[in-house]
Amino acid sequence: DVKVTQSSRYLVKRTGEKVFLECVQDMDHENMFWYRQDPGLGLRLIYFSYDVKMKEKGDIPEGYSVSREKKERFSLILESASTNQTSMYLCASSFFSRAGKLFFGSGTQLSVL
Amino acid sequence: DAKTTQPNSMESNEEEPVHLPCNHSTISGTDYIHWYRQLPSQGPEYVIHGLTSNVNNRMASLAIAEDRKSSTLILHRATLRDAAVYYCIVLSNFGNEKLTFGTGTRLTIIP
Repeated sequence: DVKVTQSSRYLVKRTGEKVFLECVQDMDHENMFWYRQDPGLGLRLIYFSYDVKMKEKGDIPEGYSVSREKKERFSLILESASTNQTSMYLCASSFFSRAGKLFFGSGTQLSVL
Repeated sequence: DAKTTQPNSMESNEEEPVHLPCNHSTISGTDYIHWYRQLPSQGPEYVIHGLTSNVNNRMASLAIAEDRKSSTLILHRATLRDAAVYYCIVLSNFGNEKLTFGTGTRLTIIP
């Protein structure tokens, strides 16, 4: 079975802290994605990557950056966390040649106080 | 990627079929139609996808209109475990397109 693992299920941070959310997949997928999910707003794409060291902005990249140094790992970075970044963060991955079939992690519920 | 339109919510009785509609009038010839569902407190999971022909798998069926501007996800016999948010998305099966989800349809199953 494909596994997409997010490092934490719940995370509490303070305003202004630098926050790292880690995602690892074990299926040699080229594509990786970071989404955030808020009540009533659905899933919104933050960043995605289709190769090592490549990144593309999604719909809401402001306040976030990403890193993809290895194929299996895609990190989301909040340089200076703010309360409006309190959200559920979901990582996903897919093959380049089957781009529509995503596998999601269980999510990280981040609270910024 | 083409924009999709889905009803915000639907209700269905347990053990009855459910038809979840999706409009995608700007779909291009190479775009696939994908459906995902998200159970409470979980990440979305893939359900089914298709290009032109109707598709069946163990989870559901996908009926695609002849002009491909709409599709319907069919759950043949709804159970309480099918209560979830269902997302319809369209995009090319190849490449590095950003994959965006809308707000989906929240399906409530009535016992």
